[in-house]
Amino acid sequence: QVQLQQSGAELAKPGSSVKISCKASGYTFTSYYISWIKQTTGQGLEYIGYINTGSGGTNYNEKFKGKATLTVDKSSSTAFMQLSSLTPDDSAVYYCARSRAIAAISPFASWGQGTLVTVSS
Amino acid sequence: DVQMTQSLSYLAASPGESVSISCKASKSISNFLAWYQQKPGEAYKFLIYSGSTLQSGTPSRFSGSGSGTDFTLTIRSLEPEDFGLYYCQQYYEKPYTFGAGTKLELK
Repeated sequence: QVQLQQSGAELAKPGSSVKISCKASGYTFTSYYISWIKQTTGQGLEYIGYINTGSGGTNYNEKFKGKATLTVDKSSSTAFMQLSSLTPDDSAVYYCARSRAIAAISPFASWGQGTLVTVSS
Repeated sequence: DVQMTQSLSYLAASPGESVSISCKASKSISNFLAWYQQKPGEAYKFLIYSGSTLQSGTPSRFSGSGSGTDFTLTIRSLEPEDFGLYYCQQYYEKPYTFGAGTKLELK
């Protein structure tokens, strides 16, 4: 079955960067786009962007341009999201999610378990 | 951005009852709407897409309706495992946006 296994919780200092991973299994990795979603108590769920796992092409929500960088390692069926210049506002649970259909972005049929990022000095 | 409004933050019901959760888009999104369930300690579960199409594995007691700006998720004859948070999401245009969620609680 489709599984998306995310890396563990991160505690980071303001101004630093973190890189979260999302390892996929149970399907052909390069056939489905991976998106990333931020969840906070205050802002709810926010769509960050997606990566075409076959071509590496990306598309970002304007709000997260310059903040998030999406990459992929096809050899390990893993998607990554790097968050840079961290501030306390970046503290959130981040999810990766796979599209329902091939060559589609959304909706999101399968989700990772989430990675908690805490930004604190 | 398209704003998605779930008017009810909380909804209390008992097993066996039927409930409806509403979701309103700030502009027409045709039927590009999905519903998800979140339960503590579990991954998000994808329930419905295209406004009314059940994802494989979604129990038939779930149904979705609506198009344009107004959508409804209905759960008939609630089961204990149905209690949790429900979110709607539009995928008509980017950035895709979500409702704030409706928490279905046990009465």
